[in-house]
Amino acid sequence: EVQLVESGGGLVLPGGSLRLSCAASGFTFSLFAMSWVRQAPGKGLEWVADISGSVENTYYADSVKGRFTISRDNSQKTVYLQVNSLRAEDTSIYYCAKHSSRRPIGFDYWGQGTLVTVSS
Amino acid sequence: NFMLTQPHSVSESPGKTVTISCTRSSGSIASNYVQWYQQRPGSAPTTVIYENYQRPSGVPDRFSGSIDSSSNSASLTISGLRTEDEADYYCQSYDSSNHGLFGGGTKLTVL
Repeated sequence: EVQLVESGGGLVLPGGSLRLSCAASGFTFSLFAMSWVRQAPGKGLEWVADISGSVENTYYADSVKGRFTISRDNSQKTVYLQVNSLRAEDTSIYYCAKHSSRRPIGFDYWGQGTLVTVSS
Repeated sequence: NFMLTQPHSVSESPGKTVTISCTRSSGSIASNYVQWYQQRPGSAPTTVIYENYQRPSGVPDRFSGSIDSSSNSASLTISGLRTEDEADYYCQSYDSSNHGLFGGGTKLTVL
């Protein structure tokens, strides 16, 4: 059974940083691209970043480029999102998602999410 | 870049069939796979269709996906509607720069 478990969210001051983690199990982690998607309170889904399988190409939404960094540790079956220079508008639930392929083409499984609140 | 446009809301009765559309504003709908995600209130999204028409294990065959090049749109069809199908549904695809895009979401009411 595919499982994705996010952690690392919390309350942070504007300008602060967090490192989100997503621990994966139930599939051969290195063979699949992974993604982070967020959802602000009462809003729709917003794609944030992708990292491909073993080649580890990365892609970012314009709204986070230069502030967020996606990475993965295939030995630990974990994908990370380092979020820096946080703004109030980054307040969201952050979901980890697994792609159905080595390259980013779309998600077949999701985690339960971790809440990031940016507030003074 | 392009946009994915969905109806804001649809409603149908239990047992009936409903179709939710997702129209791509530019470029061919067939250029990139389309996915459909279900999100019940207070819950994380789950995938009901990926790669245009594939269903993850555990998703009933009442859910089906298709693309139509003539209307440049993708569709999610749910047959034999159940009250548990009431949720928000989002379509999603990628552009040529490997940027993900979501539709605005459709609220399905089963009444």
